[in-house]
Amino acid sequence: TQLLEQSPQFLSIQEGENLTVYCNSSSVFSSLQWYRQEPGEGPVLLVTVVTGGEVKKLKRLTFQFGDARKDSSLHITAAQPGDTGLYLCAGFYSGNTGKLIFGQGTTLQVKP
Amino acid sequence: DAMVIQNPRYQVTQFGKPVTLSCSQTLNHNVMYWYQQKSSQAPKLLFHYYDKDFNNEADTPDNFQSRRPNTSFCFLDIRSPGLGDAAMYLCATSSRLGDSGRYTFGSGTRLTVV
Repeated sequence: TQLLEQSPQFLSIQEGENLTVYCNSSSVFSSLQWYRQEPGEGPVLLVTVVTGGEVKKLKRLTFQFGDARKDSSLHITAAQPGDTGLYLCAGFYSGNTGKLIFGQGTTLQVKP
Repeated sequence: DAMVIQNPRYQVTQFGKPVTLSCSQTLNHNVMYWYQQKSSQAPKLLFHYYDKDFNNEADTPDNFQSRRPNTSFCFLDIRSPGLGDAAMYLCATSSRLGDSGRYTFGSGTRLTVV
């Protein structure tokens, strides 16, 4: 069973469109992180959300942590081809002794 | 400057031939992790070291071993690689376990088994 369910798994859109990626769990997480990974590279941390209901913005990216700290979303406004990559949510929950658990990932392709 | 360095970036090994992947860090972090990532999938934790203490995940095959001779270096040994072990192997570090310790990932080693 997957502790963090990420959706959609694949997304192909045109440049300029908006999109949202979801990360859901039945468990409460003390924090959630979002990473972006390009082919052949390691994941790069985009943001960490800690407080329930927290919203963080990083240029055209908006991250939200659910009030109950069981879910998170990543919204990209006016997507650009440079946003193409694998987006991973990951988190720590109380039962895993501090190890980072990843969702399945969302492969995003933004076509010019 | 790269802070978590993995060598080599690409490794080709023969079926059944032992192979070692290496990871070094300049962050002086206490914890080092090895993840296996197959194509377009999430990284899967294999094991981690907290200082010299080795912690294996329950579902990590015995074929995978690790060594940490000092704070800076950590090795992943695959004793008898099978075709199913072809993957990207990611090393990561954190200052401590838990969400107070920020993770830093290396660029990974892409392993091909022929």
